[in-house]
Amino acid sequence: EAQVTQNPRYLITVTGKKLTVTCSQNMNHEYMSWYRQDPGLGLRQIYYSMNVEVTDKGDVPEGYKVSRKEKRNFPLILESPSPNQTSLYFCASQRRVDSYEQYFGPGTRLTVT
Amino acid sequence: GNSVTQMEGPVTLSEEAFLTINCTYTATGYPSLFWYVQYPGEGLQLLLKATKADDKGSNKGFEATYRKETTSFHLEKGSVQVSDSAVYFCALISPNSGNTPLVFGKGTRLSVIA
Repeated sequence: EAQVTQNPRYLITVTGKKLTVTCSQNMNHEYMSWYRQDPGLGLRQIYYSMNVEVTDKGDVPEGYKVSRKEKRNFPLILESPSPNQTSLYFCASQRRVDSYEQYFGPGTRLTVT
Repeated sequence: GNSVTQMEGPVTLSEEAFLTINCTYTATGYPSLFWYVQYPGEGLQLLLKATKADDKGSNKGFEATYRKETTSFHLEKGSVQVSDSAVYFCALISPNSGNTPLVFGKGTRLSVIA
């Protein structure tokens, strides 16, 4: 089954404790993204990757890092989480940058206390 | 730059009522337009699309027509069901979008009550 998986689905952590949210897709897609979703603000892109070893900042990259060492995986790293990073996070992939359909993971709800 | 504006929610309707969620856009060139739906506890999924002016996208009883003259792509359904309760996102992709192709509206939450 074609899918995007994220782990964990829920995470409660404390300020400053490094964490990683994993994302994996099994569709051999080139383009992958991370979004955060906040009430009243909709979806905002954090980082994206055009292909292996090619990543770039989206609209709200501060406080986040990503890597793309393999085509299928695109982890999101919070080196020193802060309460303002409490949010719902989605990973998404699409075949290429000019493909129109994005496939979304189920989301990761992160709470930073 | 490109942008999408949706009507603010939440929208609450009774079962079998008619639904309209308004969406207008600003874009350079000739964008393709989409509606995505997010059911509770899930990620977004593509609901329907239209790639050129006057195209009508349809799926699961929902429809939207690409109106270039009014830069609109309003979502409609003739008779909503409780299972349609979700957040709906209008989105576009423009030939000039660069490396961040999909631009989303802020979403409209729909609640359908029995």
